[in-house]
Amino acid sequence: AQSVTQPDIHITVSEGASLELRCNYSYGATPYLFWYVQSPGQGLQLLLKYFSGDTLVQGIKGFEAEFKRSQSSFNLRKPSVHWSDAAEYFCAVGDRNAGNMLTFGGGTRLMVKP
Amino acid sequence: DAGVTQSPTHLIKTRGQHVTLRCSPISGHKSVSWYQQVLGQGPQFIFQYYEKEERGRGNFPDRFSARQFPNYSSELNVNALLLGDSALYLCASSLPRTQETQYFGPGTRLLVL
Repeated sequence: AQSVTQPDIHITVSEGASLELRCNYSYGATPYLFWYVQSPGQGLQLLLKYFSGDTLVQGIKGFEAEFKRSQSSFNLRKPSVHWSDAAEYFCAVGDRNAGNMLTFGGGTRLMVKP
Repeated sequence: DAGVTQSPTHLIKTRGQHVTLRCSPISGHKSVSWYQQVLGQGPQFIFQYYEKEERGRGNFPDRFSARQFPNYSSELNVNALLLGDSALYLCASSLPRTQETQYFGPGTRLLVL
């Protein structure tokens, strides 16, 4: 069965600092991978996705993520964090054989210090 | 274009009652999925429907059921509510293609007392 691990439950960074959120997945084949962001009391907004091809994918709001098959990782990065980036971030893997049913990690809550 | 819409936004029920949650997909999307997000956790897959057929089901008891209508909207029903059913219920819609990106609605927050 597929699974996703986000090792960091909480991360605090200073505004303007760089950010990396970790995501490790378990899936039997080449996965579909996603990062979503959730603001308090809101639904999930898609930041970026990886299906195939270039392993470095660009998303909205200046985020990027790199797929590393050898490490089963799909870490999210941003070079300079803004206060508005404070939210909960979820990594997810999609099951190609089940209508892209998503399995989510437990999430990482990002706090941004002024 | 409007995104995924869900109703109601909030709901309070008591144990043993049943609840119906509704979802309208993005125009042109034919697949709808439901997820449960308990406070402090990531969303968990409940159901996926495509063309009114159940396409997938997560590890949830039979108290949970769903259906999809000809206009591709969907309902999630939960019977005999338990305190543990308190959660944010998210609906997502997608196109019926191999590489399907799911777009989520704002969710319905259910509180069971």
